Amino acid sequence: GAGVSQTPSNKVTEKGKYVELRCDPISGHTALYWYRQSLGQGPEFLIYFQGTGAADDSGLPNDRFFAVRPEGSVSTLKIQRTERGDSAVYLCASSLKGTTSGANVLTFGAGSRLTVL
Amino acid sequence: AQTVTQSQPEMSVQEAETVTLSCTYDTSESDYYLFWYKQPPSRQMILVIRQEAYKQQNATENRFSVNFQKAAKSFSLKISDSQLGDAAMYFCAYRSAWSSGGGADGLTFGKGTHLIIQP
Repeated sequence: GAGVSQTPSNKVTEKGKYVELRCDPISGHTALYWYRQSLGQGPEFLIYFQGTGAADDSGLPNDRFFAVRPEGSVSTLKIQRTERGDSAVYLCASSLKGTTSGANVLTFGAGSRLTVL
Repeated sequence: AQTVTQSQPEMSVQEAETVTLSCTYDTSESDYYLFWYKQPPSRQMILVIRQEAYKQQNATENRFSVNFQKAAKSFSLKISDSQLGDAAMYFCAYRSAWSSGGGADGLTFGKGTHLIIQP
């Protein structure tokens, strides 16, 4: 597609439920990033994919969070046993290349706003 | 780990005037990139301008320019002839030039500055 697409745009769930957030990056972009943006804060890094593999998952806060990118394109961020503190905007970004080209610009999606009641 | 600090939670400027947003960062690296992103209420982060640390010349993009002071680790954004459409959150961000894990492969953001344009 022309841009990074994220679905759903908004998700309201109850504490303890399972949630999946989807990211469809720009066609041909091999690098994909997930960020979490809490209210009044800047985005915080969660995980980075180069192709199908998670090259860096050091930002995932705990084992309730998991992300996949099985075919090197679409990625899904999965959150188990959601907690109220998980409420945030989850942003996805993609770029042509990853770490060896630091100048490559990240293009962001509009994010998925998750609200855990 | 790198940190990015934006000390102005909110700035206000009259339409057509000039405003400067501040950003400082902390790093031990010599090669890196700095960015300013704009985030309107639509939530989508939009790249405003990019600076390569090894270039001494300050980047400019139309009404947007930066003042990059590498020794002081300062990277401010100047917006000239402010327009109503410039109203948004502005985030300063840092990216390492080389992979080193720990989230360095992506961007490290500041907390943002909310820019208000007064008509």
